Amino acid sequence: EVQLVQSGAEVKKPGESLRISCEGSGYIFTDYWIAWVRQMPGKGLEWMGILYPGDSDVRYGPSFQGQVTISADRSTNTAYLQWGSLKASDTAIYYCARLQQLPPDNWFDSWGQGTLVTVSS
Amino acid sequence: DIQMTQSPSSLSASVGDRVTITCRASQNIRRYLNWYQHKPGKAPNLLIYGASSLQSGVPSRFSGSGSGTDFSLTISGLQPEDFATYFCQQSYTNMYTFGQGTTLEIK
Repeated sequence: EVQLVQSGAEVKKPGESLRISCEGSGYIFTDYWIAWVRQMPGKGLEWMGILYPGDSDVRYGPSFQGQVTISADRSTNTAYLQWGSLKASDTAIYYCARLQQLPPDNWFDSWGQGTLVTVSS
Repeated sequence: DIQMTQSPSSLSASVGDRVTITCRASQNIRRYLNWYQHKPGKAPNLLIYGASSLQSGVPSRFSGSGSGTDFSLTISGLQPEDFATYFCQQSYTNMYTFGQGTTLEIK
C-alpha cells in the first residue's frame, strides 16, 4: 500500500526556520515526483512545487520560488519542505502528494495527512 | 500561468440529489483535468483523472466530462459522505494549478 506519512504539527515564531517531512512507503520512492501543496486557513489548495527524488530535479510555483526549499533524502525515502525565515502568512496546512504519470496524463494519486504549521509571536 | 475557476463556490443539496460542479481553465488544457474530494482534517482524495476517468475505488455516482476549457464533475444520487469540498486541478503544465474549490453542503 502506498503511504505518505508527514511529520507532526509545528508552532513557530516569525523569523524561525523550519523543515517538515513526508516519508514515502509501499513504492519505489525515486520513481515518482512528490509535490507540496499549501492550504491557508479557510482557503483552497495551492501547488507550491515538485521534486523528482531520482535526480533531485525541483520546480517551484511562481509564488513560492525563493520562499521555500524542497529537497529529498533518497536513503530514507523522505521529502522535505523548509523555510529559512517563517512569516505569519506561512500559517497553513501543508500536504505532500505523489504524482502518478500515465503519459500524457498525470495526477496526484496519494496524499499525506497534512502538517499544520502555525507561525505566531 | 493557467488559472482555474470553479463555480459555484458553494452549493446546498439534499441526499439523493444530482449536482454538477463546473471548472473553467484560462486556456485550452485539452483533457488534462483532475478532480479531488477534500474533507476537513483529511487528505484530499482523487476522484477523476484525465477529465473523465474514474479513479479505482471511487463510486460510480461520480463522473467527469469536458475538454478544452470547460469541465464538469457530476455526482448522481448524493450520499451523506459526499458532503465535502471539491477541487479541480490542471495537469496540462507542470505548474499544476487548482481551482478555488466548491463546498457542497447539506440542505
